[in-house]
Amino acid sequence: ETGVTQTPRHLVMGMTNKKSLKCEQHLGHNAMYWYKQSAKKPLELMFVYSLEERVENNSVPSRFSPECPNSSHLFLHLHTLQPEDSALYLCASSQDSGKYNEQFFGPGTRLTVL
Amino acid sequence: GQNIDQPTEMTATEGAIVQINCTYQTSGFNGLFWYQQHAGEAPTFLSYNVLDGLEEKGRFSSFLSRSKGYSYLLLKELQMKDSASYLCAAMDSNYQLIWGAGTKLIIKP
Repeated sequence: ETGVTQTPRHLVMGMTNKKSLKCEQHLGHNAMYWYKQSAKKPLELMFVYSLEERVENNSVPSRFSPECPNSSHLFLHLHTLQPEDSALYLCASSQDSGKYNEQFFGPGTRLTVL
Repeated sequence: GQNIDQPTEMTATEGAIVQINCTYQTSGFNGLFWYQQHAGEAPTFLSYNVLDGLEEKGRFSSFLSRSKGYSYLLLKELQMKDSASYLCAAMDSNYQLIWGAGTKLIIKP
């Protein structure tokens, strides 16, 4: 247990569906992250939030929409995804962004887009 | 561009020693991280190096050479539970982590 939880752990959706991924951290951290992990590829940073404000958006397609209602919760809303979006989506948190900070990861949501 | 290179897969024997290498090219440098990720689980922090030299933590050690853009993770007295992927990540001048694709380590009895 890293103190970061993610739900659901597995998700299968069609290209026309709308779904949301949820992440919650119990560590009192101020920064939260969404990563995409595809097989045999480096982790891709998608979004960074610091104190509930988005500070980084690495040119992610608009079919991915993040939401951070408070410093403990982070959502990733999904709509009209493509099969190539199938991957493991990891959430992480750290004490702060913008300086050295160990990131704590959740177990991930394994997403399959049909 | 920014880049991290590490071997895709390595195999070692239980009880032996293995060294996983990582080379990096980043815009600025604020340290290098190693994470362990078991299949289907979250990556977990192993080590952080920002100064040259060797940091030892139990059976695991991590080395950094900033002038060479090089790091390695050394695992001693290998156990079956050490079978996992090992992720190398360098922090650039904007404190963003640049990740390698990971090294899958297979431990054989």
